Amino acid sequence: DIVLTQSPGTLSLSPGERATLSCRASRSVASAYLAWYQQKPGQAPRLLIYGVSTRATGIPDRFSGSGSVTDFTLTISRLEPEDFAVYYCQQYSTSPRTFGQGTKVEIK
Amino acid sequence: QVQLVESGGGLVKSGGSLRLSCAASGFNFGDYYMNWVRQAPGKGLEWLSFISSGATTVYYTDSVKGRFTISRDNTKNSLYLQMDSLRADDTAVYYCARGPHYFDSWGQGTLVTVTS
Repeated sequence: DIVLTQSPGTLSLSPGERATLSCRASRSVASAYLAWYQQKPGQAPRLLIYGVSTRATGIPDRFSGSGSVTDFTLTISRLEPEDFAVYYCQQYSTSPRTFGQGTKVEIK
Repeated sequence: QVQLVESGGGLVKSGGSLRLSCAASGFNFGDYYMNWVRQAPGKGLEWLSFISSGATTVYYTDSVKGRFTISRDNTKNSLYLQMDSLRADDTAVYYCARGPHYFDSWGQGTLVTVTS
């Protein structure tokens, strides 16, 4: 199984700041098969990014994804109040699909 | 619009069984792979299983293999998860999610609590 390790566990930032979230895979994620999700308390996850860098429908352009092979990054260019949430990466290069443990972006 | 609605969760004793359902609407259900994903209280997401659009291919993660069975009825636009031999560590919110690879639509989840 591909293990995804996200860092940091918690990111404390202020609105307007830039957020950089990391996702590292235990082995190569083939064909850029990596996605990112946002989850707010009491809600289901929401797809943000797939294929490493393609934004899902309706996702604002302040969200961007990058990376390759084993190292991937989600960047939120300027945090809006609604962006404070938990973010998960997920690989779909192999089965079982696996998620990282999550990064919480909290208000500083 | 795409809608997924889970049901069937509840309180069950260790060793018991439960069947979850997911009712789909707003898209051609029979064209899509479907998945079950769960989240234990205060924890992260764990993908459990997928089923292909025609139900010819299924896959399970090791933690539920041999205990859980995924199925679907395309005539009823419904996805199911039969859960047997339930354990305390199966306590979680269970989500159905659409997609063969990444998951672009999710239900609101149904809570399963397994007591000893």
